[in-house]
Amino acid sequence: KAGVTQTPRYLIKTRGQQVTLSCSPISGHRSVSWYQQTPGQGLQFLFEYFSETQRNKGNFPGRFSGRQFSNSRSEMNVSTLELGDSALYLCASSSTAGGHLQYFGPGTRLLVL
Amino acid sequence: QKEVEQDPGPLSVPEGAIVSLNCTYSNSAFQYFMWYRQYSRKGPELLMYTYSSGNKEDGRFTAQVDKSSKYISLFIRDSQPSDSATYLCAMSEEYSSASKIIFGSGTRLSIRP
Repeated sequence: KAGVTQTPRYLIKTRGQQVTLSCSPISGHRSVSWYQQTPGQGLQFLFEYFSETQRNKGNFPGRFSGRQFSNSRSEMNVSTLELGDSALYLCASSSTAGGHLQYFGPGTRLLVL
Repeated sequence: QKEVEQDPGPLSVPEGAIVSLNCTYSNSAFQYFMWYRQYSRKGPELLMYTYSSGNKEDGRFTAQVDKSSKYISLFIRDSQPSDSATYLCAMSEEYSSASKIIFGSGTRLSIRP
């Protein structure tokens, strides 16, 4: 079974721009979550989607948003980028019965200049 | 005090040694315990998971949970250079939501040939 895929793998943006990241979950997984990983803060939960509905949102500003499509694919968007948004953005999927078992994609490394 | 504490390392051991990686936690309601392995520039990979107390073995890996001491461990036997990675512990009170998972900050492990 194919794993979680994320595109693009690397991005370089400048402050003030916006960015959209894409994630395709493991086939059959309907729950998709997004995380930000930085050396200083570790893994931080951004949001969780299930059946196109946002179930939970982490403590991030409104510049961070996301959505999920009917095929469970998900996108996250960051508007008005700041230098501090430079991070590895990870998408994870899980089955309906096992939300605590997160299967991560390779991540998108975002650098904001 | 963080909910989950994990020694960041780095931990360097010779090939073939037994490695012990540990996390302590403060929330006695945690019931699900996971270990992830993350290679450099990759996403975390779910390595092992346990429910409540006890041991679980998978090949060279053993996960141990001691709820009375609020302490979990991951043992790696016959360590190999390919085990060099960052290991993150994670735990959750419930099985259904990614937002409830608390991740440790990770221990960087290096296996010397």
